[in-house]
This record gives sequence, structure tokens and C-alpha cells, in this order.
Amino acid sequence: QKEVEQDPGPLSVPEGAIVSLNCTYSNSAFQYFMWYRQYSRKGPELLMYTYSSGNKEDGRFTAQVDKSSKYISLFIRDSQPSDSATYLCAMQDYKLSFGAGTTVTVRA
Amino acid sequence: KAGVTQTPRYLIKTRGQQVTLSCSPISGHRSVSWYQQTPGQGLQFLFEYFSETQRNKGNFPGRFSGRQFSNSRSEMNVSTLELGDSALYLCASSLGLAGTGTGELFFGEGSRLTVL
Repeated sequence: QKEVEQDPGPLSVPEGAIVSLNCTYSNSAFQYFMWYRQYSRKGPELLMYTYSSGNKEDGRFTAQVDKSSKYISLFIRDSQPSDSATYLCAMQDYKLSFGAGTTVTVRA
Repeated sequence: KAGVTQTPRYLIKTRGQQVTLSCSPISGHRSVSWYQQTPGQGLQFLFEYFSETQRNKGNFPGRFSGRQFSNSRSEMNVSTLELGDSALYLCASSLGLAGTGTGELFFGEGSRLTVL
């Protein structure tokens, strides 16, 4: 069993829709939780970085962490074609452990 | 503020050769981590350097090695290349050690290695 499970999709939504992404994990030692966005042929770009359980908002992006359920989510409101990318969840103890990444396409 | 810079961006090698990749972290960042990204395995941790010392290591063979210089720049080396080493090698920098409150990682664009 992988430490971090993420549905690779792909996920296709119309412009303006809410995109919902999630990951589950098994390692209770994970303390920090991140979401990265990766465009084709580029390195991952940090979107959200959270420590505690609860919600964190940044513009159109909302990250949720539920440590008791070992479950994290990312929501993208009013999605745009420029949001089309692969989204990777990552969790950190002494290193980052990544999910497989979900490829999202936002159709204009 | 300049981001993480990796060189070269693309390279092609043949089996048995060795390769050295370079990473310049964000100014002020003291930690450099290296990751390998492949379609089959995703992103996997190679090692982390902080203050010129390897602090953590992933599950890769000894053919993969690295070092960090006093200016925080880092290099990684892969010796005796195998076909399976073809991948995107990503460097990430952070202020402090990963796993601490200052461990937020910022990635470079990667070095894409093809082994023939």
C-alpha cells in the first residue's frame, strides 16, 4: 500500500465549475500538507501549504485537512482553462511523499 | 526574486556513462532536496542536503550521489547509467530542513535525462 493515495483521473470539467481533488494517507507522522500544480514539462509549483486540520483559503483555492480521517482535499472555484494541469498532493515528515497526481482539464 | 535554477535542462547519455546535474537554490535557502520523477513511479525522494551535509536519503542505489557547496548550490551525480534512470530530476530548495516549520519546498523546472 502506498503512503499517499491519489486518484490519477483524468478529470475534465467545464469552465466555471468547481474542481474537487483529494488524497488519503496512511502515515500518521505526516505533519505538513501541500498541493502542487505541475504544467507539462515544468517543475511542480507550490499552491497551498498547511499544517493543522481545517480549511485554508487562497483566492479561488481552498485546501482542507482532516488528520483524524487522514484525508486532504483541494477545491478550485470558478475554474479556468489556465487551471488545466496535473495537481499533486504532498505530505511531509522528513521528506515529501507525493500522490500520483490528478490531471485536470478545464474546457472553455 | 530568482527561483530554483537547474542545469542542464535536457541531456542524453548512453548506458554506462555518468552524469552530473546542478541546482542553484533560491537565495537564502539552505536546504536542497532532489527528486526523481517518472511516469510509472511518480515523484520519489533521492536525498536532502543542508549546510553541506546529507541529512536524509531515499531508497536509491549508491550510484546516485550528491553534494552541497558552501553557497548552498548542489550537484547530484549518477554513475554507470541504466536505461531505467531516464527521468526528470527535480531539485527543490527550502529555508530550513524539510519536515520543519520552514520546510516549504520550491521546485526548479528539472533536468530531463534520457539514457540510450
